[in-house]
Amino acid sequence: GESVGLHLPTLSVQEGDNSIINCAYSNSASDYFIWYKQESGKGPQFIIDIRSNMDKRQGQRVTVLLNKTVKHLSLQIAATQPGDSAVYFCAEKAAGNKLTFGGGTRVLVKP
Amino acid sequence: NAGVTQTPKFRILKIGQSMTLQCAQDMNHNYMYWYRQDPGMGLKLIYYSVGAGITDKGEVPNGYNVSRSTTEDFPLRLELAAPSQTSVYFCASSSYAGTSGGDTQYFGPGTRLTVL
Repeated sequence: GESVGLHLPTLSVQEGDNSIINCAYSNSASDYFIWYKQESGKGPQFIIDIRSNMDKRQGQRVTVLLNKTVKHLSLQIAATQPGDSAVYFCAEKAAGNKLTFGGGTRVLVKP
Repeated sequence: NAGVTQTPKFRILKIGQSMTLQCAQDMNHNYMYWYRQDPGMGLKLIYYSVGAGITDKGEVPNGYNVSRSTTEDFPLRLELAAPSQTSVYFCASSSYAGTSGGDTQYFGPGTRLTVL
């Protein structure tokens, strides 16, 4: 079936550097994408979303880029901080309101 | 608002026992969802509901049942617990699909279940 996947399972980044987390999706009918952050022992927390009629959206220190041509989604975190250490999931929505989640990327911030 | 709340936080069951995982939301959301997350994996949808009295199966519904008698509550029932149901269970809710911000799902803190 259709699925969302991630290129890198673990990303180590130096504190202060920028992080880029990538996500590939296969359902061309998906019209909405979300990035979630999950800290150890907690539920996923909404970070930022983007609809398919946009190719870029910015939040506080985060930017999501959507390339529909190659079905690719990325999350950029500027000036990565120790508190950014977590697992990041992308999710896509096609028909209905059901999300399909990717497998997650762990971000480790080195001091 | 408390958001999405789940009880209990932790539970250990013996094979064959039953239990109900509670989920409640105070955001007046129509949509509610149950996911399970196995170690090191993403979330898989078990059941979801688009409103009181309406439920539907997700990707992995076998071994589970749900009900939605009110907008606020969406309990998940395990009738005959099996070791394969050892997982972390998350409940989520969202408002109305297709509206601005309506697709965003908000998650509870999870219930960690171990079946021995």
